[in-house]
Amino acid sequence: DIVMTQTPSSQAVSAGEKVTMSCKSSQSLLYNENKKNYLAWYQQKPGQSPKLLIYWASTRESGVPDRFIGSGSGTDFTLTISSVQAEDLAVYYCQQYYNFPYTFGAGTKLELK
Amino acid sequence: QVTLKESGPGILQPSQTLSLTCTFSGFSLSTYGMGVGWIRQPSGKGLEWLANIWWDDDKYYNPSLKNRLTISKDTSNNQAFLKITNVDTADTATYYCALTTEGISDYWGQGVMVTVSS
Repeated sequence: DIVMTQTPSSQAVSAGEKVTMSCKSSQSLLYNENKKNYLAWYQQKPGQSPKLLIYWASTRESGVPDRFIGSGSGTDFTLTISSVQAEDLAVYYCQQYYNFPYTFGAGTKLELK
Repeated sequence: QVTLKESGPGILQPSQTLSLTCTFSGFSLSTYGMGVGWIRQPSGKGLEWLANIWWDDDKYYNPSLKNRLTISKDTSNNQAFLKITNVDTADTATYYCALTTEGISDYWGQGVMVTVSS
C-alpha cells in the first residue's frame, strides 16, 4: 500500500494568515503517460462528511475559493490557504488514487490560535 | 444535482454481517467512468478506503479486510451495497459512500454510524 504522511498533525492559526500543510507519499503519484499526479485534498468540518477541494494535485474543484492552492508533484505535495478564514477551520486530508487500495493521510487539523 | 445517502442497521453484534446501502441520484452507475466507493471513519480518527465498484461491474477491495467485503450494485434502482462479514468492535465507525470518477471522490453521502457491540 502507498503510505501517505501528512504534517503537521495540527496547526493553530489566526484569521488572515497564510497556511501551508504537507503531504508526502511513499511512492510517486505521477503517472508518466498523462503527466498527472493522482492526489486529492479533502476538507472535513466537525460533524460533516469530507468535501473535495483539489484533485490532480492542483485542480480546484468547482466552487472552491481560490485561496485554496494545491501544488507539488511526484511524492511531495502541499496545500496552501493564502488567507485563512474562520470557516476554514477543519481537518484536511490528502488521498492518493494512483492505485488500490486508495489511501489517506492522517489529516492536518486547523485550529484557532 | 448529485446526492448520496447511506443506510444501515445502526447497531449489530460481533460476528454478524453488516449490510449497507447507498442510494444515490444525479448520476447513473451504468454511465462510463462512474463508480461508487465506500469509506469508513472511526469516531475521532482518519479515513479508510474499503471498496469500489465501477460502471462495468469491476470491483476493488482493500486487502486489509481480507475476504470480508462484498460490494455490489443495482443500477436500475440507483443503489450500491456493501457487506462486511464477521464484524468486530473494530468495525464501529461512520460509513460513507462516495461518487468516484477517475478515482476522485467528487461527492460524499452524509454517512451512517454503525456500532458493533455485544
